[in-house]
Amino acid sequence: QQNVQQSPESLIVPEGARTSLNCTFSDSASQYFWWYRQHSGKAPKALMSIFSNGEKEEGRFTIHLNKASLHFSLHIRDSQPSDSALYLCAVSKLASSGSWQLIFGSGTQLTVMP
Amino acid sequence: DTTVKQNPRYKLARVGKPVNLICSQTMNHDTMYWYQKKPNQAPKLLLFYYDKILNREADTFEKFQSSRPNNSFCSLYIGSAGLEYSAMYLCASSGDWGASYEQYFGPGTRLTVL
Repeated sequence: QQNVQQSPESLIVPEGARTSLNCTFSDSASQYFWWYRQHSGKAPKALMSIFSNGEKEEGRFTIHLNKASLHFSLHIRDSQPSDSALYLCAVSKLASSGSWQLIFGSGTQLTVMP
Repeated sequence: DTTVKQNPRYKLARVGKPVNLICSQTMNHDTMYWYQKKPNQAPKLLLFYYDKILNREADTFEKFQSSRPNNSFCSLYIGSAGLEYSAMYLCASSGDWGASYEQYFGPGTRLTVL
């Protein structure tokens, strides 16, 4: 049974700070790892994904994956008030039906103070 | 256009009454999902359609029904709402059901059962 845990539950940082969000998972056979972002009242939207160990950078956002330690993270450089949102990590799981499903964590609520 | 629409955005229902939620997408995606999200909890997959084939999670099998009359529309039906059904219901679609395919979400329907 795949279990996905996020930390911290909430985070308040000043504008310009580097922010780190963490996600752990329990199934070492997991293949794809996602970060989704949901602004208040809006739809969750995929931010980044990673498949292999290492890191991937897109603009101010970097995702790290370490499959051996069952951990991946999202780092935000130069955090902006517009980054304030609920961040959901998710792991792709192969279900018994033969289809891939996303297992989500419960989210980190990020607030960036101007 | 990567829009997933959900109607209504807010729904008030009485205990024991039926509830029908609607989702639509114009991306010609093969797969459509329904999730339930409660405060401070992870989005929980209820069911999904791959083309015309419905897959329901084992623990929600008898609680939720769904139909997909065409590729663009998908409904979620609760036959007799209970207080525990109060939650945000998120619809999503993806171009396929593979691990690497991004899921595109709608803004959700907030259901309150009284």
